[in-house]
Amino acid sequence: KQEVTQIPAALSVPEGENLVLNCSFTDSAIYNLQWFRQDPGKGLTSLLLIQSSQREQTSGRLNASLDKSSGRSTLYIAASQPGDSATYLCAVIGGYNKLIFGAGTRLAVHP
Amino acid sequence: DTGVSQDPRHKITKRGQNVTFRCDPISEHNRLYWYRQTLGQGPEFLTYFQNEAQLEKSRLLSDRFSAERPKGSFSTLEIQRTEQGDSAMYLCASSTDRPPGANVLTFGAGSRLTVL
Repeated sequence: KQEVTQIPAALSVPEGENLVLNCSFTDSAIYNLQWFRQDPGKGLTSLLLIQSSQREQTSGRLNASLDKSSGRSTLYIAASQPGDSATYLCAVIGGYNKLIFGAGTRLAVHP
Repeated sequence: DTGVSQDPRHKITKRGQNVTFRCDPISEHNRLYWYRQTLGQGPEFLTYFQNEAQLEKSRLLSDRFSAERPKGSFSTLEIQRTEQGDSAMYLCASSTDRPPGANVLTFGAGSRLTVL
């Protein structure tokens, strides 16, 4: 059974810091991996999708990497801003495009 | 197209009542998913439709839960005889299996259920 773990569970940093959020999964037989952002009480916003054949994806200040063999992905946020404060969810994608999520990392960026 | 729409956004009900949530996916998306999210946890898969066919159901979907997608467009999720443990955010997502954008799920804002 696929299990997804995210570390740390919570993170509080001052504005301007570079951050690394970690995601690990137990079964390397995945199609893709996706990172989402969730604001309190809201739905999910897709940030980056990494296909299983890819090593990384970049969008603006965000960079996500994938190492299937070790069952790990990282989300790198450069020059963090207060507007980045949210919960970041990692999900691995298997058959039927079913997503299996981690519990998330709650990020607080303070001015 | 305004994305994935869910209705109602918030439902408060008493234990034992039935509730129904509706999801309108992106119009050209043939795949539709329901997830449940409790406080402090990531979303958990409930069920998946390809067009009108329900192809997979989680063990989380007890016999009090039923989901339909009668014409392969909108979907409903009904919970009968609600329990306090059903309190959660119910998220709907849709995707297409055709490029461009194949297999990328788009989520709705969710329907929050509170069972008193």
